[in-house]
Formats: sequence, structure tokens, C-alpha cells
Amino acid sequence: DAGVIQSPRHEVTEMGQEVTLRCKPISGHNSLFWYRQTMMRGLELLIYFNNNVPIDDSGMPEDRFSAKMPNASFSTLKIQPSEPRDSAVYFCASSGGRRGYYEQYFGPGTRLTVT
Amino acid sequence: KNQVEQSPQSLIILEGKNCTLQCNYTVSPFSNLRWYKQDTGRGPVSLTIMTFSENTKSNGRYTATLDADTKQSSLHITASQLSDSASYICVVSDQTGANNLFFGTGTRLTVIP
Repeated sequence: DAGVIQSPRHEVTEMGQEVTLRCKPISGHNSLFWYRQTMMRGLELLIYFNNNVPIDDSGMPEDRFSAKMPNASFSTLKIQPSEPRDSAVYFCASSGGRRGYYEQYFGPGTRLTVT
Repeated sequence: KNQVEQSPQSLIILEGKNCTLQCNYTVSPFSNLRWYKQDTGRGPVSLTIMTFSENTKSNGRYTATLDADTKQSSLHITASQLSDSASYICVVSDQTGANNLFFGTGTRLTVIP
């Protein structure tokens, strides 16, 4: 079992550039979550998909952030244009059911640095 | 306002000693509470999950307690090991239809030899 796979593991980009983070959830899981983690704010839920449909995107900070889940085995989180305050570790997690009831399995994260 | 607060922010203990981490919450209506362990450079891993009716749950040397009346939980680590050095995050879910999740900012534990 490969677990949740994220790529890239590290990303360094300049302010204004587009950044795309990728996630492959655990096979058979029907819920997918994108989180952002910083020292100041801890873990924050950005968006939650269930059966490939966005259910809650209230955590997406602004229009510069967008997420898609075109099928059950792939999701992307895009930031365009990126800003230095977007620097953080972004985690993808998946679970076998509804948020709040099923255990979430986290990927290794993508460390994003925007200069 | 729904909140989760953890204490202490950081903790240093000697290998072999016990320690207790605290989590206080104001989330209502309450559904469940989870403790996660996050090693440096890795994603969080679930340690325990407790619902309203559960007071104690163990996972090896980790024991979580829940007092739903006072809205407090603790994570007790027995006979600490160097590998216990990590951040421990408390997450509370509400019982609304959205099943919202509320995260604490974590306790950073360092176990020294």
C-alpha cells in the first residue's frame, strides 16, 4: 500500500509564478483533503472533496488558490500568482468516508517556498 | 466560537519519563476528538479517536482521556522514548451536517537522552 502520494516534495518559486501541487489518494478512498501548515497557524483545512466533488472550500484563502479533482485518483492544488506569504507545507490527506468520522491518512507534504 | 487549545506549546523531557499533554475545546455539538502524532518532515499520523461516550483509549504507550463535561482531553505518554519526539495535534470534529474539523496548534515534545 503506497499511501497518499504527493509531488513535488519541495518547490521553490519566485513571487508571481504559478505553482501546481499534486496528490494521489489511497485507492478506494472517496474523500480528499488539502491542508496548509505553518508555524504560526498550525494545520488549516483548505478544501474537502467527497466523491470528486468539492464539498467545503471555505478554507481557501483567496481567488489565487484553486483545486480540482478530475477523477478518484488525482487532485491538484494551484496557486496563481504565488506570493511569499503562501510559503508553507501543503498536505493532502484521504479517507474512506465522510469528514469527521473516518480516519484521515496524510501524505508526506509539499514544502513550498515563494521568494 | 469553536476553538481547540493545546498546552503546553512545547515540552522537553528525559527519556524514560512520563508526560501529559492537554487539549481544551469549545466545539459544540461535539462528535469526536483525535490525537495525531507528526514527526518532523512528515504528515500527521492518527494515534487515537474518541467519541462522546469514551473516556479512555490506549495505543501502546499512548493513553488518551476525554472528559466531555469539562471539554478536556489529555494524552499521556508512558516511559518516553527518543522516537516520541514529535508534534502532537488535537483535532475535534463537530456533529453538524458538515462535520467540521477544528485543529489545535500542537504541542512540540522533545525527548532527550
